[in-house]
Amino acid sequence: EPEVTQTPSHQVTQMGQEVILRCVPISNHLYFYWYRQILGQKVEFLVSFYNNEISEKSEIFDDQFSVERPDGSNFTLKIRSTKLEDSAMYFCASSDLSRGLGNEQFFGPGTRLTVL
Amino acid sequence: AQTVTQSQPEMSVQEAETVTLSCTYDTSESDYYLFWYKQPPSRQMILVIRQEAYKQQNATENRFSVNFQKAAKSFSLKISDSQLGDAAMYFCAHNTDKLIFGTGTRLQVFP
Repeated sequence: EPEVTQTPSHQVTQMGQEVILRCVPISNHLYFYWYRQILGQKVEFLVSFYNNEISEKSEIFDDQFSVERPDGSNFTLKIRSTKLEDSAMYFCASSDLSRGLGNEQFFGPGTRLTVL
Repeated sequence: AQTVTQSQPEMSVQEAETVTLSCTYDTSESDYYLFWYKQPPSRQMILVIRQEAYKQQNATENRFSVNFQKAAKSFSLKISDSQLGDAAMYFCAHNTDKLIFGTGTRLQVFP
């Protein structure tokens, strides 16, 4: 069964460093998402991406964040200069066709980011 | 603004018994979907069940069923014949073009 994969599973970084979180969505999916979950809190939407551009982004997704689909398979989230409060679980998700409306968003296993 | 509210931070149930997790939401959309996701300690997000707002019939997936009350904007999850493996965080979510999650309910299952 196709699945969304994410690497690394755990990333530890120093405050101020850049990190890139990688995701491989399901191959025939067209819509991609990043979500964040701070430990013990709810899952929060960061950004959606379709047709090689951002469809929507939340207030959390400021200038420190960027997303890219560098090739036909990967979908990346870059944090330019990490802060302590960026420590969280980051989930990638993908869905097909109808822009997520009603179609299930398939989640990856997450990358746990720890900023020291 | 679209919001999802889960008013039960924690629930517990005896194995083989039934438990209901509550969820209310607010939206101005007429066409939308609602989901329940399970998050075990591994923190993977696993879809449990989904409901299409235009369908009056409540969704059912094996031991999991929902009580969808569109006018009341209520979407509760019923777990029948609870098993130890059901213990997890459960998140209710509303979907237009992105998922809006509630704060979750931690379900404990006692043998």
